[in-house]
Amino acid sequence: NAGVMQNPRHLVRRRGQEARLRCSPMKGHSHVYWYRQLPEEGLKFMVYLQKENIIDESGMPKERFSAEFPKEGPSILRIQQVVRGDSAAYFCASSPPDSYEQYFGPGTRLTVT
Amino acid sequence: AQSVTQLDSQVPVFEEAPVELRCNYSSSVSVYLFWYVQYPNQGLQLLLKYLSGSTLVKGINGFEAEFNKSQTSFHLRKPSVHISDTAEYFCAVTNQAGTALIFGKGTTLSVSS
Repeated sequence: NAGVMQNPRHLVRRRGQEARLRCSPMKGHSHVYWYRQLPEEGLKFMVYLQKENIIDESGMPKERFSAEFPKEGPSILRIQQVVRGDSAAYFCASSPPDSYEQYFGPGTRLTVT
Repeated sequence: AQSVTQLDSQVPVFEEAPVELRCNYSSSVSVYLFWYVQYPNQGLQLLLKYLSGSTLVKGINGFEAEFNKSQTSFHLRKPSVHISDTAEYFCAVTNQAGTALIFGKGTTLSVSS
């Protein structure tokens, strides 16, 4: 059973460009979570989605960030007009229904130059 | 609101020595608790979890943790560490809504020979 897949693993963007991060959950998992890890800090929750629904986006910055989990295909975290402060590792996790256990992908390391 | 404090940012130990990584949490409601391990440039791997039942929880790689409700602690232990245990360890608690994990800032375990 393949684990959580994230791509790309590394992404370099210039300031002002858009970044799209993709996450495919584990088979049978319908819940997806996005977290951001900044240097010297733990992971910070961003958003929790189920298929076609955003359940909790309390950790998402108010501007430039959006997330979706369509009926078909991976979950997408989109960052518009990136700034240097967006440089971080972004992790996706998934869980099956009615479970608190989250399984993490390898992360996407975003560098904004 | 829930929070997690990992009391030691770095723990250096010698191979085959015992180790304890400390974690305290604060919460006004029942919580579920987790320990994750992160190896360099990788995602997080679930070590163990406390959901209910026995307060002593055994996980992978010989790790165990004890849930202490009165002291609001969930310390991670291993009786004899290996070089390969060198990694970052994160303690996490579910938020009140159960929609996200709240992480501590992590403890770097460095095992030397």
